[in-house]
Amino acid sequence: AQTVTQSQPEMSVQEAETVTLSCTYDTSESDYYLFWYKQPPSRQMILVIRQEAYKQQNATENRFSVNFQKAAKSFSLKISDSQLGDAAMYFCAYRRMRGGSQGNLIFGKGTKLSVKP
Amino acid sequence: NAGVTQTPKFRVLKTGQSMTLLCAQDMNHEYMYWYRQDPGMGLRLIHYSVGEGTTAKGEVPDGYNVSRLKKQNFLLGLESAAPSQTSVYFCASSYRREEAFFGQGTRLTVV
Repeated sequence: AQTVTQSQPEMSVQEAETVTLSCTYDTSESDYYLFWYKQPPSRQMILVIRQEAYKQQNATENRFSVNFQKAAKSFSLKISDSQLGDAAMYFCAYRRMRGGSQGNLIFGKGTKLSVKP
Repeated sequence: NAGVTQTPKFRVLKTGQSMTLLCAQDMNHEYMYWYRQDPGMGLRLIHYSVGEGTTAKGEVPDGYNVSRLKKQNFLLGLESAAPSQTSVYFCASSYRREEAFFGQGTRLTVV
């Protein structure tokens, strides 16, 4: 069974600095998606970034980028120039591209990010 | 474009009562899901649907039932609520296996 592990329950960063959130996963599949979702205090789940496993290039969305290491099964999120609005829970998630369990978007337990002014 | 809409946003139930959570999406997505979120547990899949008229069990289906009579709607039912079902419930939808879009969540308390 696939699993997603976020080893940092809480992280803190100074405003304007850079922080990296870790995520590892376990799968025997070769084709899959990886995602980072942000959940601010409003509770809304917001997609931050997406990575297809077949793409070697790391995904980037403005201040957010990932370091995807397929062999190591690692998918970290880097937030540059941190802003107060980045404070939230961040969830790493995995989904296989093919085969059964079509609905199974598997989440890690989350990392709570605090941003200090 | 509303995206994914859940009703209600908050609800308090007494043990043994029943209720239905409604999820509606206007993105013409094939796949829809119900998750529950508990502190320290992340999101866990309850049930999902890959198309109108189809449903399947997820990781934690016990105590819940679902129906998808129309493509845009996915209903989650609790027949006899228990305190262990106190949680935040999220509905989500996706076109296929790409990213899922989430509703704003329903906070359910069972006393």
